[in-house]
Amino acid sequence: EVQLVESGGGLVQPGRSLKLSCAASGFTFSNYYMSWVRQAPKKGLEWVATISTSGSRTYYPDSVKGRFIISRDNAKSRLYLQMNSLKSEDTATYYCARQGQIGYNDWFAYWGQGTLVTVSS
Amino acid sequence: DVQMTQSLSHVAASPGESVSISCKASKSISNFLAWYQQKPGEPYKLLIYSGSTLQSGTPARFSGSGSGTDFTLTIGSLEPEDFGLYYCQQFHEKPFTFGAGTRLELK
Repeated sequence: EVQLVESGGGLVQPGRSLKLSCAASGFTFSNYYMSWVRQAPKKGLEWVATISTSGSRTYYPDSVKGRFIISRDNAKSRLYLQMNSLKSEDTATYYCARQGQIGYNDWFAYWGQGTLVTVSS
Repeated sequence: DVQMTQSLSHVAASPGESVSISCKASKSISNFLAWYQQKPGEPYKLLIYSGSTLQSGTPARFSGSGSGTDFTLTIGSLEPEDFGLYYCQQFHEKPFTFGAGTRLELK
């Protein structure tokens, strides 16, 4: 059974940094692209970042490019999101997600339960 | 960016009825579309990908149709567990974008 468990959320002041982690199990982690998706309170879903199987390629929307860094440790089956220069509009529940097909950057086949990040002074 | 529009924010239906939820892309995305379901306390669940392919475990009463810019998720003969939020998402190009969601409510 595929399991994705996020951790690392919490309350952080504007301008500070926070690092999220996602522990993956139930599949061969190194075979799949992985992503982060967020949902602000009472708002829709927003794709945040995607990383290739080896970690050599990363993709971001303009809203977080230059501030967020996605990374992975295939030996530990862990995904990370380093969030820098946080803004109030980054307040959201952050979901770890696995892409659908081996080696492809496609749909989000599995999601974690999410971890809440609140950016406030 | 490709804008995804789910024209109805709420749909009310009764168990046993059939319901359709629409999703429109601002430009052609071929069939690079997925549908997700969200229920309180549960992870998001992929229902359909590539416009019409059912994810393993998705009940056969769910179906997806459409290509280009217009897509539909149809649930035939609603079951009580089908009530919740439904989102469409395009993976044709980055940034990947989602619709605003349609809440399927009990009539």
